[in-house]
Amino acid sequence: DIVMTQSPDSLAVSLGERATLNCKSSQSVLSSSNNKNYLAWYQQQPGHPPKLLIYWASTRASGVPDRFSGSGSGTDFTLTISSLRAEDVAVYYCQQYYGTPSTFGQGTKVEI
Amino acid sequence: EVQLVESGGGLVKPGGSLRVSCAASGITVSNVWMTWVRQAPGKGLEWVGRIKSKSDGGTTHYAAPVKGRFTISREDSKNTLYLQMNSLKTEDTAVYYCTIDGSSGTFEAWFDPWGQGTLVTVSS
Repeated sequence: DIVMTQSPDSLAVSLGERATLNCKSSQSVLSSSNNKNYLAWYQQQPGHPPKLLIYWASTRASGVPDRFSGSGSGTDFTLTISSLRAEDVAVYYCQQYYGTPSTFGQGTKVEI
Repeated sequence: EVQLVESGGGLVKPGGSLRVSCAASGITVSNVWMTWVRQAPGKGLEWVGRIKSKSDGGTTHYAAPVKGRFTISREDSKNTLYLQMNSLKTEDTAVYYCTIDGSSGTFEAWFDPWGQGTLVTVSS
């Protein structure tokens, strides 16, 4: 199975400041056939189910604010929250869907 | 708007069985690939299994830890997805979420949307 490792485990950021979350896969999730990275990001607010933020490493899901952006390729990926808001307090997970089974990182907790 | 509502969770003894349900609205369950993901208390997310759409054969696929014990099925008349769990172990304790596979064009995909989840506790 592809192992996904997120860093840091937790992150405290001031309101209005930038948050940078990292995700590393144990093997490349970049497809040579379509040049797409099979990587998604989710937000899980306390007491709620996960919510899709990003897929194909950088495509925002419908309704996701543009302060959330995804970048990276191959094995190294980043989720950036450009200006943190109080409602962004959550655990963020990356997921690879290149290999079977699909696997998730352990999560990064973002706090104010 | 697509909505998924899980139900049926509860407390069950090790070795016991339980069936959880996922009622869908805004979408026809037989027309999409659907997946179960679980989350142990305070832990991360784990893919449990999926069922393909009827047009893609309706086949099911399971994670190694649950293969042979869990079964995914659909009831089209109720637009509902099920997860039948047998021979339950304490390590199966988790919130179970149903979700819909994205259109990745491959076997694996992102998941969106998710239901609110149902808690299954396996304990003596």
